[in-house]
Amino acid sequence: DVVMTQSPLSLPVTLGQPASISCRSSQSLVYTDGNTYLNWFQQRPGQSPRRLIYKVSNRDSGVPDRFSGSGSGTDFTLKISRVEAEDVGVYYCMQGTHWPQTFGQGTKVEIK
Amino acid sequence: QVQLVQSGAEVKEPGASVKVSCKASGYTFTSYGVSWVRQAPGQGLEWMGWISSYNGNANYAQNLQGRVTMTTDTSTSTAYMELRSLRSDDTAMYYCARDRQCGIWGQGTMVTVSS
Repeated sequence: DVVMTQSPLSLPVTLGQPASISCRSSQSLVYTDGNTYLNWFQQRPGQSPRRLIYKVSNRDSGVPDRFSGSGSGTDFTLKISRVEAEDVGVYYCMQGTHWPQTFGQGTKVEIK
Repeated sequence: QVQLVQSGAEVKEPGASVKVSCKASGYTFTSYGVSWVRQAPGQGLEWMGWISSYNGNANYAQNLQGRVTMTTDTSTSTAYMELRSLRSDDTAMYYCARDRQCGIWGQGTMVTVSS
């Protein structure tokens, strides 16, 4: 199975400041169709996960533009340009290229 | 709007089975498969499997093979996940999500396994 490794696992941030989460995969996530199926999810306390980013850098509908995704191959990053209070929660990366799909361990974002 | 609505919470004894439903609306059901993901209390997300809503083909996580069955009913746009021989470590929130890339999630179904 492809192992997804996130860092850091805990991220205290100051409101209005940027935040960055890294996700590394144990093998390339480039699929035979040329796409890279790397997704980012946000899970607020007590809620279902919500997808923020698909195929590395595409924001889902309704996702604020302060969220951005980047990367290629095995190395990916989720950035929040200016953290707001509603961004508190756990963030997961997930690869959908290889079977089985696998998730990172999660990064807990909290306000300092 | 596109949504997935799951069945209600369940409490089961060890060794029993549970069947969770996931009703889709707002899109053509057969155009997207359904993934199932679970989350034990305080833990991360675990992929359980995926089923094609088009032809019923399914792929399951290796650690659940033999205990899990995923099905769909295209007449009602509903997906089902049945887990058998329940153990205490199956206690978790169970989610359905649209397609392999999990673009839309259900609200979750809490399954508690306890004697």
